[in-house]
Amino acid sequence: SYELTQPPSVSVSPGQTASIACSGDKLGEKYASWYQQKPGQSPVVVIFQDTKRPSGIPERFSGSNSGNTATLTIRGTQAMDEADYYCQAWDSSTATVFGGGTKLTVL
Amino acid sequence: QVQLVESGGGLVKPGGSLRLSCATSGFPLHDYYMGWIRQAPGKGLEWLSYISSTGSTIYYADSVKGRFTISRDNAQNSLSLQMNSLRAEDTAVYYCARYNGGVIVESYYFDYWGQGTLVTVSS
Repeated sequence: SYELTQPPSVSVSPGQTASIACSGDKLGEKYASWYQQKPGQSPVVVIFQDTKRPSGIPERFSGSNSGNTATLTIRGTQAMDEADYYCQAWDSSTATVFGGGTKLTVL
Repeated sequence: QVQLVESGGGLVKPGGSLRLSCATSGFPLHDYYMGWIRQAPGKGLEWLSYISSTGSTIYYADSVKGRFTISRDNAQNSLSLQMNSLRAEDTAVYYCARYNGGVIVESYYFDYWGQGTLVTVSS
């Protein structure tokens, strides 16, 4: 079955750039999406189809996907960005798959 | 506006059954693939199942295959998840979510999620 791997945690100082990686076999040949989940809330998509940003998501959120790694980048990170982030892809063997999640701490 | 509202969660004994429902509104359900995802306490998201817009294609995660059944009623704007032979490890918040994307299913992602319903499996 297909698996996506994320680091359990990432820390960033306010105003700096945070990068969260998601790795999987030939992930660059698939579409990657990213979800933000704050405590007690449902997930919200922040990036879909590798690089697209839904309406209402700040421009500081961006995505890339190449090789075996998709990356979510948050420029000018704010305290409100502190959350869990999950990558997601679609694979023919497992349909939808999520990464294990990354806790982003802004300190 | 698009709304997804889950119901049917609760406390159930191991080996028992539960049926979750997801009431949808604000969009034509028959145009969209739908899915169920769960999140165990303090854990990450786990995709469980999807059903195509007409219900002709269904897929399950290995962890629930043979125990859970997804279904939909487009006329009633609802999605369901029948859960049998429940185990303690099925304890989680269960979300229904709408798929969106391009022409190919491999581009699909979840653009709307419900608020979730808690299922607790315990004796």
